[in-house]
Amino acid sequence: AQTVTQSQPEMSVQEAETVTLSCTYDTSESDYYLFWYKQPPSRQMILVIRQEAYKQQNATENRFSVNFQKAAKSFSLKISDSQLGDAAMYFCAYSIIFGNTDKLIFGTGTRLQVFP
Amino acid sequence: GAGVSQSPRYKVAKRGQDVALRCDPISGHVSLFWYQQALGQGPEFLTYFQNEAQLDKSGLPSDRFFAERPEGSVSTLKIQRTQQEDSAVYLCASSPNTGNGFQPQHFGDGTRLSIL
Repeated sequence: AQTVTQSQPEMSVQEAETVTLSCTYDTSESDYYLFWYKQPPSRQMILVIRQEAYKQQNATENRFSVNFQKAAKSFSLKISDSQLGDAAMYFCAYSIIFGNTDKLIFGTGTRLQVFP
Repeated sequence: GAGVSQSPRYKVAKRGQDVALRCDPISGHVSLFWYQQALGQGPEFLTYFQNEAQLDKSGLPSDRFFAERPEGSVSTLKIQRTQQEDSAVYLCASSPNTGNGFQPQHFGDGTRLSIL
């Protein structure tokens, strides 16, 4: 069974600094997707960044980038130039590429606090 | 609106009552997902629809949980004889694709269900 593990329940960072959130996963599949979602207090899950497992190049979206280590099954999120609006719960998630459903499997989340 | 709409936003029910939670997906989206998010946890998959067909209900925790999407648009998640452990946020998500993970899921704001 696929599992996603986030070992950091809480992280904090000062505004304008850089922070890295960790995620590991377990799967026997070779083709899959990995995601980072942000969940502010409003509860809506917002997609931050996506990585296809068959791509070696790490995904980047503005201030957000990932370090994808397929052999180690590691998928960390780096937030550069942190802003107050980045404070939220961050969830790492996994999805297989092919099948009857592309359901997401989530980790338990990391709460990020940003201090001015 | 352009996003996924869920109602009600909050629902309080007494143990043993039946509840119905509604999800309006983004117009034209084929895939619809329900997730359950317990306090302090990541969302967990409940069920998946492709149009009106329920292709995966492996995550429904018991036969008290029932979901439908009769016309391939609006979906309702029904919980019969509610119990305290049903208290959670129920998230709905939709996506335009038909079974691969390429398109991201768009989430609603969720319904927070509290069972007294």
